[in-house]
Amino acid sequence: DTAVSQTPKYLVTQMGNDKSIKCEQNLGHDTMYWYKQDSKKFLKIMFSYNNKELIINETVPNRFSPKSPDKAHLNLHINSLELGDSAVYFCASSQRQGEYEQFFGPGTRLTVL
Amino acid sequence: SQQGEEDPQALSIQEGENATMNCSYKTSINNLQWYRQNSGRGLVHLILIRSNEREKHSGRLRVTLDTSKKSSSLLITASRAADTASYFCATPRSGYSTLTFGKGTMLLVSP
Repeated sequence: DTAVSQTPKYLVTQMGNDKSIKCEQNLGHDTMYWYKQDSKKFLKIMFSYNNKELIINETVPNRFSPKSPDKAHLNLHINSLELGDSAVYFCASSQRQGEYEQFFGPGTRLTVL
Repeated sequence: SQQGEEDPQALSIQEGENATMNCSYKTSINNLQWYRQNSGRGLVHLILIRSNEREKHSGRLRVTLDTSKKSSSLLITASRAADTASYFCATPRSGYSTLTFGKGTMLLVSP
């Protein structure tokens, strides 16, 4: 059973479109995260939710909107996609908020044309 | 803001050799973690070392932590081709709300 799953694995779309990435964890964790990994492999935190509440909202354009319908799911919706949004997006979870071990999903490679 | 920084950025060795990667960080921490990322995959947790520990082992991995120098090292002994991956150190972000990851060391182990 996959602990943290993301769909889709690959997403290729045109500039200006709106797209969503879904994430689910079956570990019973309280906290979930979205990260963006650029072409140089730098991993940057975007959002963190703890028990469905937004905890971290980094300086991310408001075209990015996370939604947590329950503590096992954290989806990422992106409006008006731009070329610079091309990256690999990782979802992760941890038992609780803070300095705990994080479990990562397989990533979603987004390519904006 | 970025906390940990790995060195070297890339390392190429032969199977059977040892690989050492270093991580330096800026502020006081409670723990430091190491993660591995295989190509096209998510990060996988390897080991966590607490600030009151100096050394920790897990299989072929040995991690050291020197809080006075604000640095950590990851040693992989008797490396295998399957160890080829990027390795990241992660430290608690200020406020301890999450982790901050370094830029990683890319390790290539050739058969």
